[in-house]
Amino acid sequence: GQNIDQPTEMTATEGAIVQINCTYQTSGFNGLFWYQQHAGEAPTFLSYNVLDGLEEKGRFSSFLSRSKGYSYLLLKELQMKDSASYLCAVNTNAGKSTFGDGTTLTVKP
Amino acid sequence: DAMVIQNPRYQVTQFGKPVTLSCSQTLNHNVMYWYQQKSSQAPKLLFHYYDKDFNNEADTPDNFQSRRPNTSFCFLDIRSPGLGDAAMYLCATSRDKGGAYEQYFGPGTRLTVT
Repeated sequence: GQNIDQPTEMTATEGAIVQINCTYQTSGFNGLFWYQQHAGEAPTFLSYNVLDGLEEKGRFSSFLSRSKGYSYLLLKELQMKDSASYLCAVNTNAGKSTFGDGTTLTVKP
Repeated sequence: DAMVIQNPRYQVTQFGKPVTLSCSQTLNHNVMYWYQQKSSQAPKLLFHYYDKDFNNEADTPDNFQSRRPNTSFCFLDIRSPGLGDAAMYLCATSRDKGGAYEQYFGPGTRLTVT
C-alpha cells in the first residue's frame, strides 16, 4: 500500500524559515512532488525531486533522501501569501501520484 | 494562456439525481485525471486517462464514471450522488505518465448534494 505522512499544521512568523517534512512508504518510487494549495483553490506545482539531494528554486527548496523515504520543503523569507496547504505527492512506477493529506501552514505577522 | 478549465465551479444536485462535471484543457496533454478532495484531506485519485486508455482505481465506486471523447475534454458522471459524494472534484492533466511530469490542476468543481 501507499503511506505518506506530513504534519497536519504548522505556524511560522513572517520573514522566518520553515521546514515541512514528508515521509513515505510506497510500492515503487518515480519521483516526489510538492504542491501548494490555497484554501478553495487548486494545487499548483512547486518542485520535483527524483534523485537524492537538494533542489533550490528561489525562496523554496526541496530535499529528498530515497533510502530514508524522506523529503522536506524549505520555505525562506516567509510572506503572508505563503499561508496555504502544502501537499507532498509521490509518483509510483504506475505513473500515478499518491498525495499526502497536506500541511496547513499559517504565517503570522 | 494554456490551461485546465472546469465547469461549473459550483454544482448543487439532489440526492440520487445524476450529475456531470466537465473538464477541458488547452495544453494538449496526454494524461487527464479526476480527483475527489474532501476538506483537509488529500486529493484522492478516482481514475485517469492515458490518451484513450482508461484506468480506474480499484476503490472508485461504480457510481462514478468517466468519458474522454477527445484529447481536450473529459467528463465525470456521478450516476446517483449520495450525501457522501459532496466534495471538491479536481481535474488535472500531465504531458505524459512517469516521474518527471507535474500535474496541472483545474480550479475544481465544488459539489453539494442536498
